[in-house]
Amino acid sequence: AAGVIQSPRHLIKEKRETATLKCYPIPRHDTVYWYQQGPGQDPQFLISFYEKMQSDKGSIPDRFSAQQFSDYHSELNMSSLELGDSALYFCASSLRATTSKPNTGELFFGEGSRLTVL
Amino acid sequence: GNSVTQMEGPVTLSEEAFLTINCTYTATGYPSLFWYVQYPGEGLQLLLKATKADDKGSNKGFEATYRKETTSFHLEKGSVQVSDSAVYFCALSVRENSGGSNYKLTFGKGTLLTVNP
Repeated sequence: AAGVIQSPRHLIKEKRETATLKCYPIPRHDTVYWYQQGPGQDPQFLISFYEKMQSDKGSIPDRFSAQQFSDYHSELNMSSLELGDSALYFCASSLRATTSKPNTGELFFGEGSRLTVL
Repeated sequence: GNSVTQMEGPVTLSEEAFLTINCTYTATGYPSLFWYVQYPGEGLQLLLKATKADDKGSNKGFEATYRKETTSFHLEKGSVQVSDSAVYFCALSVRENSGGSNYKLTFGKGTLLTVNP
């Protein structure tokens, strides 16, 4: 079965550069989530999109922005990179619940994109 | 708000030992509960889940029971293997918007398990 695809898997940038991460959700999933996991930390929620609209916002810095496109893939754009942005960035997707098809609330995660800022 | 508190590690065990990693939660609403596992250098994998009180999730010899009265979801395994060495995250999910699909997942801090031969 198709899973969540993230690219690139690894990315090395210099301070003050920009980076873009891409996420392709599981087919027919309509909600995408972005999480940031620093070294030795638990994943922190950044932002989510439902049907191409931002649905929730967490601890996402103002230097970061994200969007979901018409094909449901999402991109996380990071500008003015700082050393502290070095982390593993996870994308996850889920499917909207309906009365006929309840949802357990499970999120399906990609393998992550590891960003290193030098 | 929603939060997850899990046993701090690291936990070091010998092969075939019994494992318990405690997890308790607070939530607004009725959460689904999950255990995710992260092997060294890899992404997050769902280990098991439970969606209502008294449900028992199980997978690969691991088990956890959704206890609403104690707001707990402790992870157990009767006999651990070296290959179980990983970081284990307890997590909960509550639907944020009525009729929507925004299930924001809240994670615990993670517990590093090391199993020695």
